[in-house]
Amino acid sequence: QKEVEQNSGPLSVPEGAIASLNCTYSDRGSQSFFWYRQYSGKSPELIMFIYSNGDKEDGRFTAQLNKASQYVSLLIRDSQPSDSATYLCAVNNAETSGSRLTFGEGTQLTVNP
Amino acid sequence: SAVISQKPSRDICQRGTSLTIQCQVDSQVTMMFWYRQQPGQSLTLIATANQGSEATYESGFVIDKFPISRPNLTFSTLTVSNMSPEDSSIYLCSVVGHTKETQYFGPGTRLLVL
Repeated sequence: QKEVEQNSGPLSVPEGAIASLNCTYSDRGSQSFFWYRQYSGKSPELIMFIYSNGDKEDGRFTAQLNKASQYVSLLIRDSQPSDSATYLCAVNNAETSGSRLTFGEGTQLTVNP
Repeated sequence: SAVISQKPSRDICQRGTSLTIQCQVDSQVTMMFWYRQQPGQSLTLIATANQGSEATYESGFVIDKFPISRPNLTFSTLTVSNMSPEDSSIYLCSVVGHTKETQYFGPGTRLLVL
């Protein structure tokens, strides 16, 4: 089992729809969870982080965390073509890994005009 | 977040040669990391660059192949030694920000080994 697993994708949604990106992790001691966006040919850009169970909203983005289910998701409301990118989920267990992050394989999102 | 630059941004190298990649940050940071991203894949951590001491390498990566320097809190280098085509990747440095465990990435160095 991979440490961090994401929807294999690619995911395609129409403009204005909600895009839902999912991530599961195997280390139950994980404490910090991150979503990065990576445009083609660019480096990853941090868009959200979440530490506590529940929802965290930032503009059109909502991160959801359920530690009992070892599940973290990213919702993008009112999706725009500019949201088309690969989204990477990353997980940290500071007690065992310090500041090191473990990344999933990424989900490629395409928002169609 | 810190402003991170990398040099070179891209390079094409011959097998058997070595390339040193520089990572410069505009502020002092405690933690710096080096990652590799092979074509179409996610990020793999190579090592943690420790200021004033030897880097800490992840499983599968060794100092002889990827020597790292961290002379101060704003600068690090990664050398890819004795390159082969399998080393063709994007190499990224990252730093930990002020918010717990958040990492910010440099623009990356795109390396092609022929």
